[in-house]
Amino acid sequence: GENVEQHPSTLSVQEGDSAVIKCTYSDSASNYFPWYKQELGKRPQLIIDIRSNVGEKKDQRIAVTLNKTAKHFSLHITETQPEDSAVYFCAASSGYSGAGSYQLTFGKGTKLSVIP
Amino acid sequence: GAVVSQHPSRVICKSGTSVKIECRSLDFQATTMFWYRQFPKKSLMLMATSNEGSKATYEQGVEKDKFLINHASLTLSTLTVTSAHPEDSSFYICSADSDRMGEQFFGPGTRLTVL
Repeated sequence: GENVEQHPSTLSVQEGDSAVIKCTYSDSASNYFPWYKQELGKRPQLIIDIRSNVGEKKDQRIAVTLNKTAKHFSLHITETQPEDSAVYFCAASSGYSGAGSYQLTFGKGTKLSVIP
Repeated sequence: GAVVSQHPSRVICKSGTSVKIECRSLDFQATTMFWYRQFPKKSLMLMATSNEGSKATYEQGVEKDKFLINHASLTLSTLTVTSAHPEDSSFYICSADSDRMGEQFFGPGTRLTVL
């Protein structure tokens, strides 16, 4: 099955600096790569995703890049703010689960702390 | 759009009792729902995949007789933790796949504490 590795496990940055989180995946058939932000005790919230037909996607301060050849994708947050502090998870679609749906395999998460 | 609710949000029960958690898609029909378990400071681990009208598919290591899943309609899936024990204490989160494109919408989670 799919295996997703995520680094770093913790990341501290000064407010206004950029943060980069990297993930690698093992299944070359994976074609959907979402990033989730989870605050303590809350549900994961999708912040950005990318599909295998593009190499980069940007939404304001957040961007994701995908290198299918190397099987890695990265989350970039620019001009970080204290409210960006949370745990971020990457994921990759790992296999058909029936009825047209696909399972997600999650990375272990990165705890981002933005220091004011 | 794409709102998923979960009930209850928090439950405390005695060891040996059963607990039912409901997951509902409020504004869309979810052919597939997923159940995850998340221990403190850990990632989401998929427990099972639930397709409407058919038996759930469980991940390796998840006991299907202990974690009963029912997906009777396109908007409701339930997870019943039977004979709960303290080691079952965890954050249980459901998600629903709405458009068959891979994106999942998550419920708010249920914090289960077994005494």
